[in-house]
Amino acid sequence: DVQLLESGGGLVQPGGSLRLSCAASGFTFSSHSMTWVRQAPGKGLEWVAAISGSSKSTYYPDSEKGRFIISRDNSRNTLYLQMNNLRAEDTAVYYCARERLPDSWGQGTLVTVSS
Amino acid sequence: QSALTQPASVSGSPGQSITISCTGTSSDVGTYNLVSWYQQHPGRAPKLIISEVSNRPSGVSNRFSGSKSGNTASLTISGLQTEDEADYYCSSYTTTSSLIFGGGTKVTV
Repeated sequence: DVQLLESGGGLVQPGGSLRLSCAASGFTFSSHSMTWVRQAPGKGLEWVAAISGSSKSTYYPDSEKGRFIISRDNSRNTLYLQMNNLRAEDTAVYYCARERLPDSWGQGTLVTVSS
Repeated sequence: QSALTQPASVSGSPGQSITISCTGTSSDVGTYNLVSWYQQHPGRAPKLIISEVSNRPSGVSNRFSGSKSGNTASLTISGLQTEDEADYYCSSYTTTSSLIFGGGTKVTV
């Protein structure tokens, strides 16, 4: 079974940085693109970033280019999201998901941006 | 890019059928057969129930079906059951290599 386990969330001050991780198992990690999606409290789903299996290609919404960086380590079966210059509106549960059109999701990790 | 448009809520009685619409543009839903539907129960992660407009992943009930016409995709739940009460989201690939979601529909049984 596909398993995705996010970690690294927590409370961070505005302007701060945080790196999320997603440990993958149950499938050949390097053969699949991966995606981050977030969900603000009481709100809908929002695509954050995606990366190809080889890391050759990365994809971001125009609204977030520059602050967030997606990366992966195929030797560790782990996906990352580096988030910089965080704002209150970045407060959300962050999910990692397999594929660019997600077919499996982790349980999410909560990021709270507040002073 | 604006979110796909879904009704905020849909309700039905047990055993009935309901349909949730998902309206996009010629830059997303209208161009690609890459529309997915997700079910999300409170406090849980989303679960894929329909991919590529109408494909049901293994293990998903055949009471869920998807279709598309022009810029609008639809999810139909037949034989509504109490466990179907959840939020439902559509998504689509776009011409700018992005992924876009609908605002979500709360289904009440």
